[in-house]
Amino acid sequence: DAKTTQPPSMDCAEGRAANLPCNHSTISGNEYVYWYRQIHSQGPQYIIHGLKNNETNEMASLIITEDRKSSTLILPHATLRDTAVYYCIVRHPRSGGSYIPTFGRGTSLIVHP
Amino acid sequence: DSGVTQTPKHLITATGQRVTLRCSPRSGDLSVYWYQQSLDQGLQFLIQYYNGEERAKGNILERFSAQQFPDLHSELNLSSLELGDSALYFCASSVEVREDTQYFGPGTRLTVL
Repeated sequence: DAKTTQPPSMDCAEGRAANLPCNHSTISGNEYVYWYRQIHSQGPQYIIHGLKNNETNEMASLIITEDRKSSTLILPHATLRDTAVYYCIVRHPRSGGSYIPTFGRGTSLIVHP
Repeated sequence: DSGVTQTPKHLITATGQRVTLRCSPRSGDLSVYWYQQSLDQGLQFLIQYYNGEERAKGNILERFSAQQFPDLHSELNLSSLELGDSALYFCASSVEVREDTQYFGPGTRLTVL
């Protein structure tokens, strides 16, 4: 199972881009990279996912390196409401075809005024 | 609002007791996941059901059990409660068993005294 490594904490000024890195050097060819975030004590929220190509949605952009060993989640204009713990996870198959995300400790992002 | 509902929001009980947590998935979602989040453990996957059948098991204690009913709601039963069972319990749902875009409920905070 591919594991992920994220910095424990980061901070960002409001209005600036927040770039959150994730290392997944043991990722296999059929594994996707998913990002979730969790605002204090709330349920985690899906942000974005990708396999090889860069992806963008209304919340964020996901940049995956060509060798797929790392990725970066970009919040283009961070706001105070983006303060949360961000989880990078790699989908891995289990017996019976169930895919179980394994959440690590994530990155605690603090957006300051 | 993710569309996943969990009841109750808060639960305070004593050691040795038994409690039931309830989850209603998003309309149309067939798969339900249960997670436990305590301060020192992070978000831990417990068990997954798909259309009434157990599909994957994580670090779920024998004192804990779950089921998914024909109307697709799910219940997590915790018995012989210990102080260490105090945690946030989240339910998530997805459309398919292999779908990793999970939508999380607001959680149930369990306090065991």
